Amino acid sequence: GQQVMQIPQYQHVQEGEDFTTYCNSSTTLSNIQWYKQRPGGHPVFLIQLVKSGEVKKQKRLTFQFGEAKKNSSLHITATQTTDVGTYFCAGTRGSTLGRLYFGRGTQLTVWP
Amino acid sequence: DTGVSQDPRHKITKRGQNVTFRCDPISEHNRLYWYRQTLGQGPEFLTYFQNEAQLEKSRLLSDRFSAERPKGSFSTLEIQRTEQGDSAMYLCASSSTGTGPYGYTFGSGTRLTVV
Repeated sequence: GQQVMQIPQYQHVQEGEDFTTYCNSSTTLSNIQWYKQRPGGHPVFLIQLVKSGEVKKQKRLTFQFGEAKKNSSLHITATQTTDVGTYFCAGTRGSTLGRLYFGRGTQLTVWP
Repeated sequence: DTGVSQDPRHKITKRGQNVTFRCDPISEHNRLYWYRQTLGQGPEFLTYFQNEAQLEKSRLLSDRFSAERPKGSFSTLEIQRTEQGDSAMYLCASSSTGTGPYGYTFGSGTRLTVV
């Protein structure tokens, strides 16, 4: 079963609206990674967060790692149609480069 | 090197048959991972290698599944006596153990359909 919980499962927004997906683990994670999977595609690495309370930005995307290293969020400002896809969080326990535990993903649909 | 390659892209097999998939990772990556993904789910871990050593194998992996990475380069995943429940996308990924914020690089996957 899934070791990492992710909500919501689906999100439909109009272009220009903001979007947030949340990730939660019952155990402390060594790091959290975020991936994007376009329809029919494979997961593509977006970013890795390692430090407690870390915040990173990539253009319109903001990633946060919780103080307890058990939760994380991805926020997209002013969504565009190119943001469509499923966003997965994934964490490791112990080694930072070992087995990744993936969340179920949030499927984002953006209406033009 | 253009990324992680998987072969075949699609495989349709009859229940009870054996299938084998191949993965060629990025050449400088020493870690290789196999995941399985079904519709609406996140990738589910199967096993991973560092060089030729298989470091971890999921408890969910029955003895019908076996993976090898004989020379620390490409890897194969074999499923014996396939069942309909094995139908899924099988994803291979590779990564480096060097320093830096490296994530996995995934291949395009092998979609298995068991009929």
